[in-house]
Amino acid sequence: QKEVEQNSGPLSVPEGAIASLNCTYSDRGSQSFFWYRQYSGKSPELIMFIYSNGDKEDGRFTAQLNKASQYVSLLIRDSQPSDSATYLCAVTKYNFNKFYFGSGTKLNVKP
Amino acid sequence: ETGVTQTPRHLVMGMTNKKSLKCEQHLGHNAMYWYKQSAKKPLELMFVYNFKEQTENNSVPSRFSPECPNSSHLFLHLHTLQPEDSALYLCASSQDASGTGEQYFGPGTRLTVT
Repeated sequence: QKEVEQNSGPLSVPEGAIASLNCTYSDRGSQSFFWYRQYSGKSPELIMFIYSNGDKEDGRFTAQLNKASQYVSLLIRDSQPSDSATYLCAVTKYNFNKFYFGSGTKLNVKP
Repeated sequence: ETGVTQTPRHLVMGMTNKKSLKCEQHLGHNAMYWYKQSAKKPLELMFVYNFKEQTENNSVPSRFSPECPNSSHLFLHLHTLQPEDSALYLCASSQDASGTGEQYFGPGTRLTVT
């Protein structure tokens, strides 16, 4: 079983729509959750992190965490073509050195 | 310079060559990481250094040899690589390796082994 699982996509949404990206994790002891955006040929760029159950909003981005169900999601409102990228979910535990990354979901926002 | 820098950005080497990748972070962090990213595969953690001490070696072949002389610099020494080692090598840093802080990535070195 993979530590972090994401649907590889591609997920296609029209410009202006809400894009919903999901991630599940296997270790119930996981405590910190991160979303990264990676453009083709570039390195991952941190978008958001969330530690507590519930929602966390930052501009057009909202991270949602449900520890009971072991999933974390990222909502992108008013999607723009510039949001087209691969989105990586990462999970870690307190006092552990490892960040576990999912394979990423490719998002295409069509003008 | 700001953030995390990596040199070179592109490297082509033969299987008998020896080369080194360099990473430098300007964020005042204490933990540094090497990752390998191959096409259509998740990021693979290779090594972790926390306060200059190696705390994780994720079963990496000995042809990859890391070095961390101080908290700001990290090297990856390469020798007798195989074509399957061709990948994007990413360096990252975080405040420490406690797992509570976010990691920031450098731009990566695109390595091609011929």
